[in-house]
Amino acid sequence: GQNIDQPTEMTATEGAIVQINCTYQTSGFNGLFWYQQHAGEAPTFLSYNVLDGLEEKGRFSSFLSRSKGYSYLLLKELQMKDSASYLCAVRDPTGGFKTIFGAGTRLFVKA
Amino acid sequence: DTGVSQDPRHKITKRGQNVTFRCDPISEHNRLYWYRQTLGQGPEFLTYFQNEAQLEKSRLLSDRFSAERPKGSFSTLEIQRTEQGDSAMYLCASSSGTSSGELFFGEGSRLTVL
Repeated sequence: GQNIDQPTEMTATEGAIVQINCTYQTSGFNGLFWYQQHAGEAPTFLSYNVLDGLEEKGRFSSFLSRSKGYSYLLLKELQMKDSASYLCAVRDPTGGFKTIFGAGTRLFVKA
Repeated sequence: DTGVSQDPRHKITKRGQNVTFRCDPISEHNRLYWYRQTLGQGPEFLTYFQNEAQLEKSRLLSDRFSAERPKGSFSTLEIQRTEQGDSAMYLCASSSGTSSGELFFGEGSRLTVL
């Protein structure tokens, strides 16, 4: 089966650090993605992990543990513009390379 | 290339009518995906093309939904005999065959069924 779990909502303060967790159970695995989606807009790509470990890209980092079916997205030096939904997604090669999304975590950044 | 484009951006229709959405992917991308998204949810996979071949279709998709990509370029998604439950944002995305192969999304086509 396919299941991707992430918290529904999180609130953090401007300038702080926030970690958004994601756990997944999928038939197959060919990479984990994080996307950002502002209200009323399309999702945009943030990060990609296929091997275990941490990938860093500016203020954003993403971690993957395949054995635990676990990932997190770390956002540092939070800015108001980071208020958005963050979507955890897994690419499943079973039957084709479709990408399955979680429901998303709505992050509210307060001053 | 300006990215993935979708048309129309908004469609309001009466229950029972047919609607068709068009997606033009990034030109060098051979993979094209259709997703449906409702408020507060993540994108829900509908179907996937590699070039002109439809490789997978979600079991959630009823027979009222059909998609084509006749020449491996643009794609259409048709919904027949629309129902109020079909109201959603229909997102198209494309990707290349690179190792990461992240999805590039269009702005979506919002469907409202009255």
